[in-house]
Parts: sequence; structure tokens; C-alpha cells
Amino acid sequence: QSVLTQPPSVSGAPGQRVTISCTGSSSNIGAGYDIHWYQQLPGTAPKLLIYGNNNRPSGVPDRFSGSKSGTSASLAISGLQAEDEADYYCQAYDSSLSAWVFGGGTKLTVL
Amino acid sequence: QVQLVESGGGVVQPGRSLRLSCAASGFTFRSSGMHWVRQAPGKGLEWVAVIWYDGSNKDYADSVKGRFTISRDNSKNTVYLQMNSLRAEDTAVYYCARGRTYSSGWPGGHAFDIWGLGTMVTVSS
Repeated sequence: QSVLTQPPSVSGAPGQRVTISCTGSSSNIGAGYDIHWYQQLPGTAPKLLIYGNNNRPSGVPDRFSGSKSGTSASLAISGLQAEDEADYYCQAYDSSLSAWVFGGGTKLTVL
Repeated sequence: QVQLVESGGGVVQPGRSLRLSCAASGFTFRSSGMHWVRQAPGKGLEWVAVIWYDGSNKDYADSVKGRFTISRDNSKNTVYLQMNSLRAEDTAVYYCARGRTYSSGWPGGHAFDIWGLGTMVTVSS
């Protein structure tokens, strides 16, 4: 059981917008710690997608955006493309565990 | 170019040891905190260990504390993970990753911005 909770899967048609939620608690997201998001394409290493709740590293399309409120965060992907099919992970620091923690991951399927 | 390359994975019996290495290039390694993150087959990501840029501080996940040791050699741009008393549940792809602290500061603003390709560790008799 992951400290951060994500839906196991989401799906959408090309061109549509999808959101992936990440729910935590008062010892991580609710403590004010940033949420970071990673994209893992099939058979590859994770890649930093969003840092500091809503910032995109250079090269990440602006179709990807993040938000945070209270003990939850969301990743939104607009204008879905086939190449977005991947696993997505949220990550934060947890003060109770004194550790960086990940969500269980969400598999995005582009229909 | 910016790169992390892990090595040292393999098949090992329960209770035995293994040492992983991660060679860095393309960035100022001696200024960077480094992490190990693992992923069991078909599972999610799990943070394992961190070492500060100068090796002065280290921290571990509870699941590996007392069994794993992270270290670094800044003269060789390499970070290591010594894994002792290995268990079946340690079976995973082990990634090394660079840690970067963004505007919110340490530790909450700390993310993993560069990842290696990973090395597979299988613990089995």
C-alpha cells in the first residue's frame, strides 16, 4: 500500500484531456511539501515530468500541467497523443517516514 | 551529454551481497546529491537511499536500513550501493538518480531530475 494514492488506470481518446489524482496526508502533501510527477514509458526509466507542483522541465510540452490543493494533487494531460501512453507516478517527501515516497502509479491508455 | 550508467546487477542467492555502481557524466557530480530508487517487477517506484554531494550525510528507507550502504567517490564520478543480507523482496531494477532541490527547498522541494537506465538485481536460490 503506497503512502500516496493514485488510480491504477485512466484512459482517454486522442485529443481529449485526462487527469490523474494523487492523494496524500498531513505528513506529506498536506504538510506543504511539493509534488513532483514522473512519466515512465514502457520498458524505460522514469523521467521527471513536473516539479514543484506545476513546473515543467525544459522539453516537456505544455500539454502537461500540475496542481496541488490540501492533501491532494493532480496531473492533467490535454490534447492526448498516442505517445503519452505510459505509467505516471507522483512523488513527495513524507515527514513521518523521513523518506521520499511515490504513489503506486497510474497507467494511462490512449484509446 | 548528461548520463548515469548503472552496473553490477545480477542473480544472487538470499543472504549474499552485491555492490552496484553508477557512473555519472555530463554534469558536476561533486555538487549533486545522489539517490538509489528501485522498482520490483510489475510494481511501482520505491526510494532506497540518498547521499549528500560531499558524502557527509546519508539516509535510507526503513526496508533497507542496516543492510544497504550508499557511498560515493567524487574523484571517479561514481556512486555505489553495497547490498548485504539480500532477500527475495529486494529483487528489482535499481536506478540511480540525481537529486535536485527546487525553490521550496530541502527536502520537500527535492526531486529526481536525471535517471539512469537501471540494473536488474534478482535474489533467488
